[in-house]
Amino acid sequence: KAGVTQTPRYLIKTRGQQVTLSCSPISGHRSVSWYQQTPGQGLQFLFEYFSETQRNKGNFPGRFSGRQFSNSRSEMNVSTLELGDSALYLCASSSGLGGETQYFGPGTRLLVL
Amino acid sequence: GENVEQHPSTLSVQEGDSAVIKCTYSDSASNYFPWYKQELGKGPQLIIDIRSNVGEKKDQRIAVTLNKTAKHFSLHITETQPEDSAVYFCAASDSGNTPLVFGKGTRLSVIA
Repeated sequence: KAGVTQTPRYLIKTRGQQVTLSCSPISGHRSVSWYQQTPGQGLQFLFEYFSETQRNKGNFPGRFSGRQFSNSRSEMNVSTLELGDSALYLCASSSGLGGETQYFGPGTRLLVL
Repeated sequence: GENVEQHPSTLSVQEGDSAVIKCTYSDSASNYFPWYKQELGKGPQLIIDIRSNVGEKKDQRIAVTLNKTAKHFSLHITETQPEDSAVYFCAASDSGNTPLVFGKGTRLSVIA
């Protein structure tokens, strides 16, 4: 099976812009989680979607949003970008919720100038 | 909520030696503990996981031990090789409706 894919892999934006990142889970997986990874904070949970419904949300401002489509593909959006949003954004998929093994994609590296 | 502490933050070992990374967790309801390896420029890759109904699990040179009473679990890598050099993350969850909580990571360097 193909692994988790994320597009784009690299992105450069300026402050105030918005960005949309995409994640395609492993075929058959219905759960997609998003994480922000920075050197200082490690892996921080953003949100989790299962069957098009947001099931969990981390402690991030409302500028961070996401959605999941009927084919389980997911997008996350960050509006009004700030310098501090520069990070590696990781998507992980699993077959179900809670306790199911999560498989990560390669990430999208976002640089905000 | 769950809090996962991971130590050490950096670890250097000679090739062929063993490496041990330790994690503690705070939520006694946690019962799923995966370990991930992240190489430069890649996403984290699951290397081994353990559930609370067992105390130890091995996969070739990698083993994980779990002490539920003390709320800590450890990753053991034996006969380390240069390709083991990476950042390792532990995580914990309660297998319910809560997401994985990750430790801050350990940068392992295996010196040839």
